Amino acid sequence: DIVMTQSPESLTVSLGERATINCKSSQNLLSTSNNKDFLAWFQQKSGQPPKLLIYWASTRESGVPDRFSGSGSGTDFTLTISSLQAEDVALYFCQQYYRIPLTFGGGTKVAI
Amino acid sequence: EKQLVESGGGLVQPGGSLRVSCEASGFIFSNYWMHWVRQVPGTGLVWVSRINMDGSATDYADSVKGRFTISRDNAKNTLYLEMNNLRAEDTALYHCARGGVPLNLWGQGTLVTVSS
Repeated sequence: DIVMTQSPESLTVSLGERATINCKSSQNLLSTSNNKDFLAWFQQKSGQPPKLLIYWASTRESGVPDRFSGSGSGTDFTLTISSLQAEDVALYFCQQYYRIPLTFGGGTKVAI
Repeated sequence: EKQLVESGGGLVQPGGSLRVSCEASGFIFSNYWMHWVRQVPGTGLVWVSRINMDGSATDYADSVKGRFTISRDNAKNTLYLEMNNLRAEDTALYHCARGGVPLNLWGQGTLVTVSS
């Protein structure tokens, strides 16, 4: 199975400041067939299901604010929230969809 | 509005069985692969199973293979997960999710508790 390792486990950021979450995969997620990384980022607020933020490592889902951005390729990826807002307090997960079983990172809790 | 609503969770004894359901609305259900993902409250997400659009292909996590069966009824816009020989470690919130790739719509989940 592909192991996804996220860091840090928790992060406290001031309003308006930048938050950076890292995700490392145990295997390369870049497909040679379409030159895309099979990596997604999710946000989960308390009491809610996960919400897709980013897919193909850097493509924002429709409706997601542009303060959220994804970067990286291969085995190392980053989710950046450029200017943290109060509504961004949540748990964030990375997930690989390169191979079954789909696997998720352990999550990063973002607080203010 | 696109929506997935799970039901059927509850308390079951170890070794028991349960079937959970996921009703889809607001989109063409038969056009999508569907998945089950479970989550112990406050912890991480674990993929359980997936099924293709017409139900002819399925995959399972090793931890549930041989005990769980995923199925779907496209006429009823409903996804199912039949769980047999349940163990304490199967206790979790079970979410259904839509997607080939990636998982772009999730339900709120239904809680399954395995305990004597």
